[in-house]
Amino acid sequence: TVVTQEASFSVSPGGTITITCGLSSGSVTTTNYASWYRQTPGQPPRTLIYTTTVRASGVPARFSGSILGDKAALTITGAQAEDESDYYCVLYMGEDISVFGGGTKLTVL
Amino acid sequence: QLQLQESGPGLVKPSETLSLTCSVSGDSIKRNNFYWGWVRQPPGKGLEWLGSVYYSGSAHFNPALKSRLTVSIDTSRNQFSLRMTSVTAADTAVYYCARHRVIPAANVDYWGRGTRVYVSS
Repeated sequence: TVVTQEASFSVSPGGTITITCGLSSGSVTTTNYASWYRQTPGQPPRTLIYTTTVRASGVPARFSGSILGDKAALTITGAQAEDESDYYCVLYMGEDISVFGGGTKLTVL
Repeated sequence: QLQLQESGPGLVKPSETLSLTCSVSGDSIKRNNFYWGWVRQPPGKGLEWLGSVYYSGSAHFNPALKSRLTVSIDTSRNQFSLRMTSVTAADTAVYYCARHRVIPAANVDYWGRGTRVYVSS
């Protein structure tokens, strides 16, 4: 099973963007325990969201996680220039296995 | 403040075995409900979960790499290790160690800085 994400997105400063995380076969539910990470070049990832909707410690309130239709979603409300990063989701597939999505490159301009 | 530090050879020859260690400081590796995992990132590509281990020694692996991987833990040294056999150029990547809760690669609260590994003759 492949975890799918949009390859790239652009958003204007102050705008709202939703990045999705789906499955090549089937729907994403809360039992996939979606997590979202942000990564800038040369840095390790940083956790934004875990267990679908829970913001990690220190993460600004403009980041939120949800299930939208058959996908997990990361929404940034009021995007800032510093949000220009690569975003990755990871889904739990059961049987102690998790799979990362291919990543979404977000441009803020 | 928990810190994780990867160490290992920066260059490995094809068909050889890659061994990496993650040293944990600032907390015990025996803390309940936390797993210790490895994630890698090939140049210009995305993240890939490799495997994770609990302080008991119980380990879980990416099925695509399971036959080549060993993840072990040394509680006396507060460190854990990754061993990957029969490496190829496709294994060239930055390798991160991380701490996460029960779900593999989910809710990582601490990451290492990463160590770059090149596979080349």
